[in-house]
Amino acid sequence: GENVEQHPSTLSVQEGDSAVIKCTYSDSASNYFPWYKQELGKRPQLIIDIRSNVGEKKDQRIAVTLNKTAKHFSLHITETQPEDSAVYFCAATHNFNKFYFGSGTKLNVKP
Amino acid sequence: DSGVTQTPKHLITATGQRVTLRCSPRSGDLSVYWYQQSLDQGLQFLIQYYNGEERAKGNILERFSAQQFPDLHSELNLSSLELGDSALYFCASSVRAEQTDTQYFGPGTRLTVL
Repeated sequence: GENVEQHPSTLSVQEGDSAVIKCTYSDSASNYFPWYKQELGKRPQLIIDIRSNVGEKKDQRIAVTLNKTAKHFSLHITETQPEDSAVYFCAATHNFNKFYFGSGTKLNVKP
Repeated sequence: DSGVTQTPKHLITATGQRVTLRCSPRSGDLSVYWYQQSLDQGLQFLIQYYNGEERAKGNILERFSAQQFPDLHSELNLSSLELGDSALYFCASSVRAEQTDTQYFGPGTRLTVL
């Protein structure tokens, strides 16, 4: 089955700096890659996603890049703000059946 | 609010017991997914239903079972509970359309097994 690895497990940045979280996947058939933000005790919320036919997608301060050849995808957050502090999860799936999640990155944005 | 509801919000029970968690998907969503999140852990996919039929199975224990009813709500049954089953259980729903299949998560049910 699919194996998704996520790094780093914790990330601390200064407000205004950029943050990058990386994930690798093992199944080349995976074709949809969402990113979720989860605040303490709350539900995961989709923040951005990318399909395998696209190399990059951007939504304001958030962007995701996908390298199918290397089987990795990354989340980029620019101009970080304290409210970006949360746990971020990447995931991969083939045709929206099983979703495989990374182990999460705890992002701390220091004011 | 994602539109996905889960009940109960909290559940405290003893080892060996059986519980049922309930999930109502967003209106129009045909697909329901169940996940387990243990303390400080990632999300583990358990099972997916689509329009009443089991579609995909993940790391779901034999002590656990699920079903999706004609009105599309779903229930996750956990039996012979062990201490290690204590976790946050999320369901998520999606439309299961060709072009759009974003998952929307419910608020979760926190299960504590004593």
